Amino acid sequence: DVKVTQSSRYLVKRTGEKVFLECVQDMDHENMFWYRQDPGLGLRLIYFSYDVKMKEKGDIPEGYSVSREKKERFSLILESASTNQTSMYLCASSFRDSQYFGPGTRLTVL
Amino acid sequence: AQTVTQSQPEMSVQEAETVTLSCTYDTSENNYYLFWYKQPPSRQMILVIRQEAYKQQNATENRFSVNFQKAAKSFSLKISDSQLGDTAMYFCAFMIPGGYQKVTFGTGTKLQVIP
Repeated sequence: DVKVTQSSRYLVKRTGEKVFLECVQDMDHENMFWYRQDPGLGLRLIYFSYDVKMKEKGDIPEGYSVSREKKERFSLILESASTNQTSMYLCASSFRDSQYFGPGTRLTVL
Repeated sequence: AQTVTQSQPEMSVQEAETVTLSCTYDTSENNYYLFWYKQPPSRQMILVIRQEAYKQQNATENRFSVNFQKAAKSFSLKISDSQLGDTAMYFCAFMIPGGYQKVTFGTGTKLQVIP
């Protein structure tokens, strides 16, 4: 079975802090994605990566950056967290047109 | 750009009954995939069913089936013999094959199965 893990299930940070969310997949998938999930808005794509060190902006990249130094690991970075970044963050990897999701990180920014 | 619309934010169904979740989409592409994903409370999102646009036959997975109407750009999910474990958020999703495999999701339908 494909396994996608995320470093934290719950995270509480303060405004202005730098926040790292980590995602690891164990199936050698090339494509990885970061979404945020908000009630009534569904999943919105923040960034995705199609290979090591390669990244593309999604629909809502403002305030975020990403890093992919190794194929299995894709990190989402909030350079200076703000309250409007309080959300559920989902990581996914994809293979043959199917996406495999991690458990999500519920981030609260105070 | 593709859009996916789920017009039912919440639904409920009695256990053992049948329920249909609606989804419409908009695209100018002719070849694409459609999906239904399920997100149970506090659990990981999983793929329920997928449909390839070039296939006329509706996809079926056990108690889950779809009604794919390409001309109407409609893709509904039918759950038969609903079970308590079907309680979840359901997301309709769209993807153009190849490339970066980017997926566009709808806003979701929260389904509650009532005992």
